[in-house]
Amino acid sequence: QTVVTQEPSFSVSPGGTVTLTCGLSSGSVSTDYYPSWYQQTPGQAPRTLIYSTNTRSSGVPDRFSGSILGNKAALTITGAQADDESDYYCVLYMGSGFWVFGGGTKLTVL
Amino acid sequence: EVQLLESGGGLVQPGGSLRLSCAASGFTFSSYAMTWVRQAPGKGLKWVSGISGSGDSTYYADSVKGRFTISRDNSKNTLYLQMNSLRAEDTAVYYCAKVRSIMVRGVLDSWGQGTLVTASS
Repeated sequence: QTVVTQEPSFSVSPGGTVTLTCGLSSGSVSTDYYPSWYQQTPGQAPRTLIYSTNTRSSGVPDRFSGSILGNKAALTITGAQADDESDYYCVLYMGSGFWVFGGGTKLTVL
Repeated sequence: EVQLLESGGGLVQPGGSLRLSCAASGFTFSSYAMTWVRQAPGKGLKWVSGISGSGDSTYYADSVKGRFTISRDNSKNTLYLQMNSLRAEDTAVYYCAKVRSIMVRGVLDSWGQGTLVTASS
């Protein structure tokens, strides 16, 4: 069974830079998996930040960026702000019509 | 602007049934595949099911296969999820999400606000 891995939690200082990653329990993440990133605050629906590895969704600030780093997909937040404190989920398209989400990363800005 | 509005959630006894709906607007509904994603209380997101733009192709997570049925009515711009034989572990907020393709592949790019399903006696 494929598992998509994310750091359970991360902390960043205001104004700092943080990189969250999205890996596979077996194998490497590539653009073929269409890695996407979503931001979710408690009680709210997910908000699409990045799709297809590095394409920012409409209205997303350019301090959010996506990439492939080594064998993982990555979400980098540059100049972190207080309202970036959220849960961040990645998802990979596994083929054959289904997706697998990572367990999410709880980002704290302090 | 893409808008997705789920409805139909509620409290149901284990073993019961429920049908969720997702009304879509702001895009050509039949040109895009759609999916359902759920989130149990305090847990992460899990993909549940997907359907192509034409409705000809459907896909399910193993955990719901044989119990849930996804469908769509392109004349009404509405996506459905028929949930039968509900279990306590199906308790979750159910989101509909638009796929960035007519086929069930690639990117989930827009989300509804979700509807809560609670399977409990």
